Amino acid sequence: AQTVTQSQPEMSVQEAETVTLSCTYDTSENNYYLFWYKQPPSRQMILVIRQEAYKQQNATENRFSVNFQKAAKSFSLKISDSQLGDTAMYFCAFMGNTGNQFYFGTGTSLTVIP
Amino acid sequence: EPEVTQTPSHQVTQMGQEVILRCVPISNHLYFYWYRQILGQKVEFLVSFYNNEISEKSEIFDDQFSVERPDGSNFTLKIRSTKLEDSAMYFCASSRTGGAYSNQPQHFGDGTRLSIL
Repeated sequence: AQTVTQSQPEMSVQEAETVTLSCTYDTSENNYYLFWYKQPPSRQMILVIRQEAYKQQNATENRFSVNFQKAAKSFSLKISDSQLGDTAMYFCAFMGNTGNQFYFGTGTSLTVIP
Repeated sequence: EPEVTQTPSHQVTQMGQEVILRCVPISNHLYFYWYRQILGQKVEFLVSFYNNEISEKSEIFDDQFSVERPDGSNFTLKIRSTKLEDSAMYFCASSRTGGAYSNQPQHFGDGTRLSIL
C-alpha cells in the first residue's frame, strides 16, 4: 500500500524568506505522480505543483519548486520569497499508475509571518 | 478558470437521516471523485467514478454510501442512515482524464462540511 508522510505538522516563515516542506512516501511502483496541494483557510484544495516520477528534472512553478529524490522517496516543496497569501495547509499527494485515487499526507500548516 | 463547485458549504443532519452532497465538476472532465477529511486528519479517498460507474472505491465506501450522476452536470454522494463518525469535510474532485498512466491533476471543490448531531 502507498503511504505518504509529512513529518512537520506546523511551520512558520518570515515574509520574503524561503521555507522547505518535507514529504516522504513509500511505494513499490516505478512510475507514479506526486503533487503538492494548498488548502487555505477558504478550504479549497489548490494544486501547487506536480512531478512525474520518470522525469529527473525537478518541477518548478514560479516561486514553488520541488526537490524530488526518487531513490530516497522524498518530495520536498520549496517556497521562495514567501508571501502572506502562502499561509495555508499544504498536502503532499501520491498517485500511482494502478488507479485513480490520491494518497495524501497529513499536511503541514504553514504560517507566513509579516 | 473553471471550478468544481459543491453545495451546500455546510450541512447539519440528525444521526440516522440520509444526506445528499452535491457537486458540479468541471464541464469537460470525465473522472469524478469523492474524498473525506475528518477534522485534524488526512484527506482520504472514498470513490472514483467514470462512464457512469464506480471505477474504484476504498474500504470506507461501504453500503452506506452511494454516488450518482443524475444528469450531465451533477455528481452526488448519498450517505444513508448517517452516523456521528460521518462528520467530516467532504471534497469532490474531477479530472479530465484518469486511471493508469494519466498524469492529469484532480481539481477540488471547496468542500462540504457535514455535521452529524
